Amino acid sequence: DSGVTQTPKHLITATGQRVTLRCSPRSGDLSVYWYQQSLDQGLQFLIQYYNGEERAKGNILERFSAQQFPDLHSELNLSSLELGDSALYFCASSVGEGLFNEQFFGPGTRLTVL
Amino acid sequence: AQKVTQAQTEISVVEKEDVTLDCVYETRDTTYYLFWYKQPPSGELVFLIRRNSFDEQNEISGRYSWNFQKSTSSFNFTITASQVVDSAVYFCALKGRDMRFGAGTRLTVKP
Repeated sequence: DSGVTQTPKHLITATGQRVTLRCSPRSGDLSVYWYQQSLDQGLQFLIQYYNGEERAKGNILERFSAQQFPDLHSELNLSSLELGDSALYFCASSVGEGLFNEQFFGPGTRLTVL
Repeated sequence: AQKVTQAQTEISVVEKEDVTLDCVYETRDTTYYLFWYKQPPSGELVFLIRRNSFDEQNEISGRYSWNFQKSTSSFNFTITASQVVDSAVYFCALKGRDMRFGAGTRLTVKP
């Protein structure tokens, strides 16, 4: 158990809908990272927040957004969902600010868009 | 552009065999980091190692060892005396200006 929690575990929704994925980092970690793992695209880094502020951006679509709250939990919002958004979404956390830090991953949220 | 290539899609070995997973990367950045992650059948990602571009020392951790060679842009991972619990998908990743993952190598260790 990495100490990173993600909810929900599974999410099934329809095209055009909007969903929110939630992540709670390990106690003491200030950075939260979001990744997408799909059959088509493989593993991709989406975005990083450090202590409430966006720090790095990867291949995140404009339909997707994220934020980190004062209690350090983070939410990833996916809107206007398409079939291709079906994927496993991982959250990770680290103590430090940089992407090069050792990251601890949550169990992931499996999103299925029908 | 950055790129990570894991040419071996799947590898199957018998327990106690040694196995090397290859990783070749491309980057124009002079400062970068290389990583290996493990994704067991349960699905979670586990960080294994991080190396920065200025540290070419090889590393050994138990049955795991890593060989970083800048001259060939490779960061290979060897498991010695493999065990069934090593069965997983292994990802190599590169962090320069952005983060890139390889496609992964699925390792199956048979008893």
